[in-house]
Amino acid sequence: NAGVTQTPKFRILKIGQSMTLQCAQDMNHNYMYWYRQDPGMGLKLIYYSVGAGITDKGEVPNGYNVSRSTTEYFPLRLELAAPSQTSVYFCASSYSVFVTSGGGYNEQFFGPGTRLTVL
Amino acid sequence: AQSVAQPEDQVNVAEGNPLTVKCTYSVSGNPYLFWYVQYPNRGLQFLLKYITGDNLVKGSYGFEAEFNKSQTSFHLKKPSALVSDSALYFCAVRPDRGSTLGRLYFGRGTQLTVWP
Repeated sequence: NAGVTQTPKFRILKIGQSMTLQCAQDMNHNYMYWYRQDPGMGLKLIYYSVGAGITDKGEVPNGYNVSRSTTEYFPLRLELAAPSQTSVYFCASSYSVFVTSGGGYNEQFFGPGTRLTVL
Repeated sequence: AQSVAQPEDQVNVAEGNPLTVKCTYSVSGNPYLFWYVQYPNRGLQFLLKYITGDNLVKGSYGFEAEFNKSQTSFHLKKPSALVSDSALYFCAVRPDRGSTLGRLYFGRGTQLTVWP
């Protein structure tokens, strides 16, 4: 299994450009997440999904959009990139049968990250 | 509100000595607690978790953590540190109920450096 994969590894954008960060998992996990990691700030949740067709906002969703048409893929879209979106982005996935009661207690599996710089 | 505090930004320890990385939490209901490790330019890797039962949980690479409900703490420990343990360590919590649907709340991370 490849686990959680992310592309690209690095990207430099100009202010106002847009891009899509790709995330895929081959573990048949129902939950998927997007986090951003800023130095000294830990990880902040951007968006998450509990299954195909179901997404919801996390702590810091502004400036981002997501979609989840299949179990495997969970792309993150940046519209009108801003310097404040310079960060390292991580995709993660997990599995739980407890979809309606809080999501269970299984650990999340993380991708290798995408380092994005907006200039 | 759910939150995690890692009071030390950095922990330095000599190889062979015991290490402790501290974590305290605040959560509604009972906590599910996790430790993750991040090596440079890599994603987070799961180390161990506490769900219920024995307060001392053992995980990967010889790490263990002790859950203390009265002190709302979940400190990570290892009896004998290795240079290869040097990395960034994150504590995370998830409440066992509510509308957060599997979402983890992370601490800010503690950089562990083990000196040879």
